[in-house]
Amino acid sequence: EVQLVESGGGLVQPGGSLRLYCEASGFTFSSYWMRWVRQAPGKGLEWVANIKQDESERNYVASVRGRFTISRDNARNSLYLQMNSLRVEDTARYYCAREGVPYASDVWGQGTTVTVSS
Amino acid sequence: QSALTQPPSASGSPGQSVTISCTGTSSDVGGYNYVSWYQQFPGKAPKLMIYEVTKRPSGVPDRFSGSKSGNTASLTVSGLQAEDEGDYYCSSYAGFNTFYVFGTGTKVTVL
Repeated sequence: EVQLVESGGGLVQPGGSLRLYCEASGFTFSSYWMRWVRQAPGKGLEWVANIKQDESERNYVASVRGRFTISRDNARNSLYLQMNSLRVEDTARYYCAREGVPYASDVWGQGTTVTVSS
Repeated sequence: QSALTQPPSASGSPGQSVTISCTGTSSDVGGYNYVSWYQQFPGKAPKLMIYEVTKRPSGVPDRFSGSKSGNTASLTVSGLQAEDEGDYYCSSYAGFNTFYVFGTGTKVTVL
């Protein structure tokens, strides 16, 4: 079964850091672009970042550029999101997703919740 | 980069059709044939329904169809069923630097 499982979310104070994890199974992880998408409580979806198969390309939404780092470990079938200098507005459910079709995500994890609050 | 504009809500009776619009600019929807649509139920992850404007992933009923004209894309759900009730989001590739934008979301209600 094709599956993505996120973890690492939690409560953090403004200015703090958090690392999100996404473990893939059921498909050849190293063959796909991967992305993170977030959804603030009661709000819409927002694309956060994506990464090429060999990590040679990483792209970010402007609001997280310089604070977040997307990375992957193909040997571990894992995707990561290192989040530094967190802000209240980063509070959201973060989804890991596979870009299995051109410019879209065909497989999603269940998400992990990040709350930034003092 | 602003979110793509969708109507907040849409509704129809079972068996009817409902069409959701997604309006962007020439830098996103109008500039690329990379519009996708996602269905989301409360507390659940999004599900891909349409990609590359008109293509359906395997397993998605052919009641769901997509189209585009200029800077506006549309999702049509024909033969509306109770299980179609949920939130729908469009998304478009927006080129280098912006990359991807999502729509504001539309809540579909089956009357």
